[in-house]
Amino acid sequence: AQKVTQAQTEISVVEKEDVTLDCVYETRDTTYYLFWYKQPPSGELVFLIRRNSFDEQNEISGRYSWNFQKSTSSFNFTITASQVVDSAVYFCALSEAYNNNDMRFGAGTRLTVKP
Amino acid sequence: KAGVTQTPRYLIKTRGQQVTLSCSPISGHRSVSWYQQTPGQGLQFLFEYFSETQRNKGNFPGRFSGRQFSNSRSEMNVSTLELGDSALYLCASSQEGEADEQFFGPGTRLTVL
Repeated sequence: AQKVTQAQTEISVVEKEDVTLDCVYETRDTTYYLFWYKQPPSGELVFLIRRNSFDEQNEISGRYSWNFQKSTSSFNFTITASQVVDSAVYFCALSEAYNNNDMRFGAGTRLTVKP
Repeated sequence: KAGVTQTPRYLIKTRGQQVTLSCSPISGHRSVSWYQQTPGQGLQFLFEYFSETQRNKGNFPGRFSGRQFSNSRSEMNVSTLELGDSALYLCASSQEGEADEQFFGPGTRLTVL
């Protein structure tokens, strides 16, 4: 069965600090997809990234970067030089190829960036 | 391109009533998924519709049902409401399978009294 664990419930940092949000997943499928979503106070989930299980290349998008390691079943998300606008709840999610669109979400990590 | 829209945004019902929530996907998207978000259980998958057929279903009782129309708009129905059904119900649309990027709507916040 698929499962996503985000062990960090809440993180608080001061602006300009770097912060890493952890995500560990479990799946028996060899083909799967991993996602990160951001949920600001408005409530709407905002897509950040999708990665398939065959692409372990790390990705950088501006201040955001993702580290995918199959060996440790982790898909961690780092925000460099955090800003107050980064304050939100961040969700990691997993979707197995045979069960399209049945995304299993982690519990989320609430990030607070203080000025 | 307009995003995913959900109506109503807020709803208050009493126990035992039923409720219907509506979701209009992004134009051209054929898949609509529904999720329930509560503080205790987090985000949980309810079901997914694709081309008017339920393609996937989460682990929710039969009181939760849905349907999709030929224009891809979807409705979700909850019958015999319970206090525990109070939640934010999120709808997401995508073009089609293979774990496409899903675009989420703003949600409908349902309160059951």
